Amino acid sequence: NAGVTQTPKFQVLKTGQSMTLQCAQDMNHEYMSWYRQDPGMGLRLIHYSVGAGITDQGEVPNGYNVSRSTTEDFPLRLLSAAPSQTSVYFCASSYGGRGGKTEAFFGQGTRLTVV
Amino acid sequence: GENVEQHPSTLSVQEGDSAVIKCTYSDSASNYFPWYKQELGKGPQLIIDIRSNVGEKKDQRIAVTLNKTAKHFSLHITETQPEDSAVYFCAATQTTGSARQLTFGSGTQLTVLP
Repeated sequence: NAGVTQTPKFQVLKTGQSMTLQCAQDMNHEYMSWYRQDPGMGLRLIHYSVGAGITDQGEVPNGYNVSRSTTEDFPLRLLSAAPSQTSVYFCASSYGGRGGKTEAFFGQGTRLTVV
Repeated sequence: GENVEQHPSTLSVQEGDSAVIKCTYSDSASNYFPWYKQELGKGPQLIIDIRSNVGEKKDQRIAVTLNKTAKHFSLHITETQPEDSAVYFCAATQTTGSARQLTFGSGTQLTVLP
């Protein structure tokens, strides 16, 4: 059981470049989310999805796009990378409380550096 | 929206001592409060959670308490061991309605000194 798989683990981008962070889960979870983790600021929600075809913005959505064409996949796109987007990105998935199941499972993270 | 504050940001304890981390939340509609442990280079992992209809929950050396009136909840780790050293995050959310996304505290770096 792979859980939540994120790729790549590390990435260096130049300012202005675009890229997609991949996230896949094999637990048939409805809810998927992207967080960024910065020192002293905890985990901040970027975008989330409550099911295939449905996405919404979180606390810090600017500069990022998402889509959810399947239950399993939830890619995060950086449109034009900026140094302020240097961070560690985590993808998470959960049942969202359905059936009383509330635990969120996180991927291993992607460490992104924008130079 | 929900706002979660967590204290302290760093905590050092001697092996065998207890550690306490405290969080407050703002949204009275939140009813689920998990705690996550993040080891170096890894993603957060759930260690214990509590729902709003319970005041305290314990799992071996770890316990969580919740005071709904004051809107605060705490993590207690007893008989700390070096492997407890990690970053701990509290979080809050609703389990019904549309606002089911976790809001995290800023994290506590716990160091257990041998």
